[in-house]
Amino acid sequence: NAGVTQTPKFQVLKTGQSMTLQCAQDMNHNSMYWYRQDPGMGLRLIYYSASEGTTDKGEVPNGYNVSRLNKREFSLRLESAAPSQTSVYFCASSARGNTEAFFGQGTRLTVV
Amino acid sequence: KNEVEQSPQNLTAQEGEFITINCSYSVGISALHWLQQHPGGGIVSLFMLSSGKKKHGRLIATINIQEKHSSLHITASHPRDSAVYICAVTSYNTDKLIFGTGTRLQVFP
Repeated sequence: NAGVTQTPKFQVLKTGQSMTLQCAQDMNHNSMYWYRQDPGMGLRLIYYSASEGTTDKGEVPNGYNVSRLNKREFSLRLESAAPSQTSVYFCASSARGNTEAFFGQGTRLTVV
Repeated sequence: KNEVEQSPQNLTAQEGEFITINCSYSVGISALHWLQQHPGGGIVSLFMLSSGKKKHGRLIATINIQEKHSSLHITASHPRDSAVYICAVTSYNTDKLIFGTGTRLQVFP
């Protein structure tokens, strides 16, 4: 089983560029998440999706958009990248909130 | 104040030592998770608890719901245990995962 597949693993962007981080899970999970991880701050929730077609803002949604077009895929889009968005991004999924969560391998994004 | 607090933030141990990492939380939860992250690596789930105690190999996780506290123990620690250990809770109200800032463990031979 692939679990949670996240692409790309690394990306360098110039300020103002746009990009989409892709996430797909093959475990038929309802809940999917996007987090960013910064030194000393732990993982912070950017957006959450409880099911196909629904999304919810998390703790740090500004500068990001998401799309949950089907049950498998949950993408994160940066429309105009800023240096403050330099971080490691993780996608996660779970059957529902109080079940085990599975994580993608992470995307290390640098905005210069 | 963070909703999930871990201690210590950093921990150094000699191989073979018994290690304890603590987690306290201030919200109502439906589950607590212990996760492991190796340097430059992904995040893997070690335990998910809603009550009592779980054991997997040399790792033991306990939770006290009344005191809103959990501990992760590593017996006979080994250098390959060196990693960041993260406590997270599933909020009962919002159904979302809330993370602690992690404990960086280094085990020396």
